[in-house]
Amino acid sequence: GAVVSQHPSWVICKSGTSVKIECRSLDFQATTMFWYRQFPKQSLMLMATSNEGSKATYEQGVEKDKFLINHASLTLSTLTVTSAHPEDSSFYICSATSGRETQYFGPGTRLLVL
Amino acid sequence: GNSVTQMEGPVTLSEEAFLTINCTYTATGYPSLFWYVQYPGEGLQLLLKATKADDKGSNKGFEATYRKETTSFHLEKGSVQVSDSAVYFCALSDRAAGNKLTFGGGTRVLVKP
Repeated sequence: GAVVSQHPSWVICKSGTSVKIECRSLDFQATTMFWYRQFPKQSLMLMATSNEGSKATYEQGVEKDKFLINHASLTLSTLTVTSAHPEDSSFYICSATSGRETQYFGPGTRLLVL
Repeated sequence: GNSVTQMEGPVTLSEEAFLTINCTYTATGYPSLFWYVQYPGEGLQLLLKATKADDKGSNKGFEATYRKETTSFHLEKGSVQVSDSAVYFCALSDRAAGNKLTFGGGTRVLVKP
C-alpha cells in the first residue's frame, strides 16, 4: 500500500517551454501533497505544500508564478514549470500523505532544460 | 526552528560489516522521526519511523531508537549487503508545522563485496 507515482519519469525540453509533472497516489486518498526539488548529491528542498481543493503554500524563495501547482483531486497533484530555463533542470520529487504524518514519495522526475 | 544533522558520507563498508549512521535533531515540540532511503535515480522510500520517545523502528534488518534524552535517532544494521548501497536520509515531522518534513543532508553508503 501507499504507492505514489510520478509522470513522466524524465523529460527534456527546450528553454522557454512549459513542462507539467503529475503526481498520483494510487491506493490512498492524499489530502496533502508536497513538492520537492533535489540537486545532485544534495538533500531535498521543499518547494510547496498543496491541499486538495485549495491553493498551494509555497516556501520562501520559490516563485509561485514559475512553479504552478494544482491539486484538483484527492489522488492527483500537478507541478507545471513555466517558461523553463536551464537553471530549472533538477530532480523533482513529490510526496503524499493521507492526513497522517508519514509522507510517501514518488519515484521522481528528472527535468533537463536545454 | 527544527533541524536534523546526520553524519556526512560517503561511508564505505565491506559486505557483512556493521553499519551505523548518526542522526541528531533539534525540535521545539515532539516530532516523529524517520529514516528514508534513496537508491540511485529513484525517489525516497520509507525505511522506518518512530513516533515517540523510546520507540524503536525496524525494517529489513535496520533499526533506530528514538532517544529524547540525547535527541538522536541513529540508524544501525548488523550485517550490510551490497544491495544496501544507497543514500540514507534522517528526517523529522512536526505536527505544529503541518507535518512538514525536515531532512538531514543525507549519508551515502557504499557496500563493497
